[in-house]
Amino acid sequence: AQSVTQPDIHITVSEGASLELRCNYSYGATPYLFWYVQSPGQGLQLLLKYFSGDTLVQGIKGFEAEFKRSQSSFNLRKPSVHWSDAAEYFCAVGPGGVGTGANNLFFGTGTRLTVIP
Amino acid sequence: DVKVTQSSRYLVKRTGEKVFLECVQDMDHENMFWYRQDPGLGLRLIYFSYDVKMKEKGDIPEGYSVSREKKERFSLILESASTNQTSMYLCASSPADEQYFGPGTRLTVT
Repeated sequence: AQSVTQPDIHITVSEGASLELRCNYSYGATPYLFWYVQSPGQGLQLLLKYFSGDTLVQGIKGFEAEFKRSQSSFNLRKPSVHWSDAAEYFCAVGPGGVGTGANNLFFGTGTRLTVIP
Repeated sequence: DVKVTQSSRYLVKRTGEKVFLECVQDMDHENMFWYRQDPGLGLRLIYFSYDVKMKEKGDIPEGYSVSREKKERFSLILESASTNQTSMYLCASSPADEQYFGPGTRLTVT
């Protein structure tokens, strides 16, 4: 069965420090992978997505993620965190396939990021 | 920019009331989705629709129904609201390869 694990419920980092949010998935086929961010009281915004090709993908707001098939992981990174990055981050996996890749997304339970000035 | 709007940001209803949550997208997307979001549980899919008048059950459809009479509008209906349906409800639309989310409706059932 498909599943997405975000092992860190809450992470606190200092402004300017580097960040890595972990995501592990279980899926039968090669999935589509997504990271979303949710600011307080808001909907979800797509940070980046991976479908195929280069395993290091760049997203908005200076975020990047690396797909590691051997580890079934898709960790999100940022070299220097800004106070405005404080939010909740969700990893999601989709079934893959052109035209259907974002249907039936399965979301992790989220990681809440706190940024200390 | 894609815009997904939801009819209310905050809603308070009484137990047993019929509740309608409306979602509208302006990008002619085929697919639309309703999720509920609860702390520690992430997002769970209630229903989705891949075309007008078409719907598919998600992971937690019990107690909910949906309607899609026009391509741009996808409604979530709570036939008889209960306190365990207090939650944040998120609507999304997708052309195929990415879901775009609305701002959410925080529903409280008292």
